[in-house]
Amino acid sequence: NAGVTQTPKFRVLKTGQSMTLLCAQDMNHEYMYWYRQDPGMGLRLIHYSVGEGTTAKGEVPDGYNVSRLKKQNFLLGLESAAPSQTSVYFCASSVSAMADTQYFGPGTRLTVL
Amino acid sequence: AQSVAQPEDQVNVAEGNPLTVKCTYSVSGNPYLFWYVQYPNRGLQFLLKYITGDNLVKGSYGFEAEFNKSQTSFHLKKPSALVSDSALYFCAVRDPYYGQNFVFGPGTRLSVLP
Repeated sequence: NAGVTQTPKFRVLKTGQSMTLLCAQDMNHEYMYWYRQDPGMGLRLIHYSVGEGTTAKGEVPDGYNVSRLKKQNFLLGLESAAPSQTSVYFCASSVSAMADTQYFGPGTRLTVL
Repeated sequence: AQSVAQPEDQVNVAEGNPLTVKCTYSVSGNPYLFWYVQYPNRGLQFLLKYITGDNLVKGSYGFEAEFNKSQTSFHLKKPSALVSDSALYFCAVRDPYYGQNFVFGPGTRLSVLP
């Protein structure tokens, strides 16, 4: 049972380049989330999804887009990367809503030069 | 708006001594409170949560936390620290009035010294 996996683990981009981060979960969870982690700021929610085909904005959505075409996958896209998007990105999933535990992936370290 | 504070960036404790990692929160309604731990180069792992009921919550690896509504606190505790407990600890809150946002504190780095 792999849980939550993220691809890639590391990536270096130049300003203006685009990329997609892939999150996959094999726990049949309805809810999926994308966070970014910056030093001294904890985790901040970028976008989330409450089910296949749905997405919603979190606390810091600007510069990112997401898609949830399949229940097990949640993609995070950067259309035109900026140095301010240098961060560690975590994906998480949960069975359903508010009181549920979130299960996190190992993270993707992204550097934008 | 909901918020979480972890007043200590770093907590140092000797192995075998009790440890406390502090967390205070601000929400409009009744909070759902969580503690997560992050080991180096790893994702966050769930430790425990308070939803309702008994104010003392027991979790993984011998950790426990006490919900104190009057002080709006949810401090993480362990009676006897291990060197392997050294990690980054995050408190998080969900306010049912604010939808899906899950607000994390900035984290507290715990160092357990042998």
